[in-house]
Amino acid sequence: ETGVTQTPRHLVMGMTNKKSLKCEQHLGHNAMYWYKQSAKKPLELMFVYSLEERVENNSVPSRFSPECPNSSHLFLHLHTLQPEDSALYLCASSQDRVVSNTGELFFGEGSRLTVL
Amino acid sequence: TQLLEQSPQFLSIQEGENLTVYCNSSSVFSSLQWYRQEPGEGPVLLVTVVTGGEVKKLKRLTFQFGDARKDSSLHITAAQPGDTGLYLCAGPVLYYGGSQGNLIFGKGTKLSVKP
Repeated sequence: ETGVTQTPRHLVMGMTNKKSLKCEQHLGHNAMYWYKQSAKKPLELMFVYSLEERVENNSVPSRFSPECPNSSHLFLHLHTLQPEDSALYLCASSQDRVVSNTGELFFGEGSRLTVL
Repeated sequence: TQLLEQSPQFLSIQEGENLTVYCNSSSVFSSLQWYRQEPGEGPVLLVTVVTGGEVKKLKRLTFQFGDARKDSSLHITAAQPGDTGLYLCAGPVLYYGGSQGNLIFGKGTKLSVKP
C-alpha cells in the first residue's frame, strides 16, 4: 500500500458506543494529524503528533482521544459522541511538523462518521 | 487570528467555460497552497505559491499569489468534468517572531463542471 490509508471508510455509531478510527502512513513521515471536515466549515485541525509525541491539541473535547503508538500509525478513539460530531475525519502526514514553504500535507481518504 | 476566505462558495458551469476562484485574507502569508478534493477522497496538493506576484501554471490551471501575499486566485481555462471537486486554499499560521506553524484552510469552493 502507498500513501495514507484510513479505516474504516464509513462508521455509524450510537452516542454510547466506543469505536476507533485508524490511520497508517507509508511515506516515512515524522508528523501526523487528525482533521475534522464538516459542512460549511473550514478543515479543523484536531491533533498533531510529531515523532510520536502529541504536540498540539486544539481544544478538542475529551470524548476524542488520539493515540500514536509509532510514527506510522495514528488512532482516534471515540467515546460517547454527540450527533454534532458527525463529520468526515481526515488523517494527514507531512515530512516534518512545521509546514515550511515547500511542505505538503498528504491526506487519507477520510472516515465518514455518523453519530445517531 | 489568521483567516482565509474563499469565494465563491459554489460554482456550477458547463464544460469549456473559464472560471476564477479566490482566496483572500487580511493577514500576510509566507506562502499559500491550493488543494483539490474530489468526492470521496482526501485533499491533494496542486501547487504552492511563495513569492508575492508569483504566477504558476499547471496545464489549464493558473495560480497567482497577490503582490502583498494576502490573496491568491486560481483560474481554470476550458473547464472539464474532471475538474469537478472542492478547491481549498491553505497557508501556514505565522507566529510573532516569524516562525511558522500548522496549515489553516479556507472553507473551499465547490466546483461542478457539467458535460
